[in-house]
Amino acid sequence: DAKTTQPNSMESNEEEPVHLPCNHSTISGTDYIHWYRQLPSQGPEYVIHGLTSNVNNRMASLAIAEDRKSSTLILHRATLRDAAVYYCILRFLSYNTDKLIFGTGTRLQVFP
Amino acid sequence: DTAVSQTPKYLVTQMGNDKSIKCEQNLGHDTMYWYKQDSKKFLKIMFSYNNKELIINETVPNRFSPKSPDKAHLNLHINSLELGDSAVYFCASSQDMRTFGNTIYFGEGSWLTVV
Repeated sequence: DAKTTQPNSMESNEEEPVHLPCNHSTISGTDYIHWYRQLPSQGPEYVIHGLTSNVNNRMASLAIAEDRKSSTLILHRATLRDAAVYYCILRFLSYNTDKLIFGTGTRLQVFP
Repeated sequence: DTAVSQTPKYLVTQMGNDKSIKCEQNLGHDTMYWYKQDSKKFLKIMFSYNNKELIINETVPNRFSPKSPDKAHLNLHINSLELGDSAVYFCASSQDMRTFGNTIYFGEGSWLTVV
């Protein structure tokens, strides 16, 4: 069901920027791109979302390709607390199907 | 205060038993969900309720029965537990399904082990 493709795992050193890629070549015009992350032994938490334009918030930035077939989640300075599984999700614009369809995500390891 | 709280956090039970997991949200949201994360870590939606009305039922076996006594609570009752029901169950909520794109807030999960 998942319409996104992400690398299984990535590594980073603390204090360095991290770019987490996501491919969604079958995205439709009404699909929003959402990112959630799941810290160990916790529930998923919202990170950021966007439609066409790049987005910034206090947690991260989201860069969306012009054709919208790929996007990149950017953590500007990774911390140990950012070690988690990051999920890139396409969210449908529909009353009866407003649900998150999770893929396998990218497991991010952060080293001190 | 925890926004979405689930009890119990851990549950070990025998096959064939009936068990319930309770969920409460104090965010004033209208929509609540149950998600299941299996041993391979896949997260999948099971149910969603909007203001106590069932909206999504993702072909979950009818041994699983959600109940929403009010919009702040969505409990999950499981009959005749099977080994394959062992998983982590996450409750979640969002402001209103009709307001597209609103953030979904998850609880910390209930670890169910069927032996």
